[in-house]
Amino acid sequence: QTVVTQEPSLTVSPGGTVTLTCASSTGAVTSSSYPNWFQQKPGQAPRTLIYSTSNKHSWTPARFSGSLLGGKAALTLSGVQPEDEAEYYCLLYCGGALNWVFGGGTKLTV
Amino acid sequence: EVQLVESGGGLVQPGRSLGLSCTTSGFTFGDYAINWFRQAPGKGLEWVGFIRKKTYGGTTEYAASVKGRFTISRDDSKSFAHLQMNSLKTEDTAVYYCTRSPRIAGIMLFDYWGQGTLVTVSS
Repeated sequence: QTVVTQEPSLTVSPGGTVTLTCASSTGAVTSSSYPNWFQQKPGQAPRTLIYSTSNKHSWTPARFSGSLLGGKAALTLSGVQPEDEAEYYCLLYCGGALNWVFGGGTKLTV
Repeated sequence: EVQLVESGGGLVQPGRSLGLSCTTSGFTFGDYAINWFRQAPGKGLEWVGFIRKKTYGGTTEYAASVKGRFTISRDDSKSFAHLQMNSLKTEDTAVYYCTRSPRIAGIMLFDYWGQGTLVTVSS
């Protein structure tokens, strides 16, 4: 059973930079895990920000970027805005019967 | 405008069945896979399963927690997907979301989400 781990909570000041990470219990996260990142605000459906490690959707603000960092998937927010306060989830492809597994989410406080 | 709307949620007793619909508009439904996700109250997201588009066989994959109990189907002529949930358990209580899933460079992704529908399994 693959476990995907994220920081439970992070705090950042407006205008600052913060990096959220996503680790897999089976080893290093690679591009073959096709990391996705989602943002969810209270009472709303999730919104997809990043797919396949670093690709952005048309609606993804430029201040969000995805990467692989030290064996983990990473989501970096540069120039954080108050409206970025939300829960952020990563999703990894684990293959086989597991298919897709979410991390537990990171509550970002701005 | 791309839209996905889930419906069919409600209160159901343990062991009973319930069907959810994902009605779509604004895109060519048959060109996309459809994924289902869920979120228990106050908890994180969980992938439930997906159905491929017909050109990939229209086959399905499920999370271990629902395999054998849940069935996803699609009706391309009506642009909707269906999640049939049987033998429901209290732990199936969640908001259920459907997503549109294009395939780009051989990779499935998730772009547009519905607003979700709440399923409560309780006696």
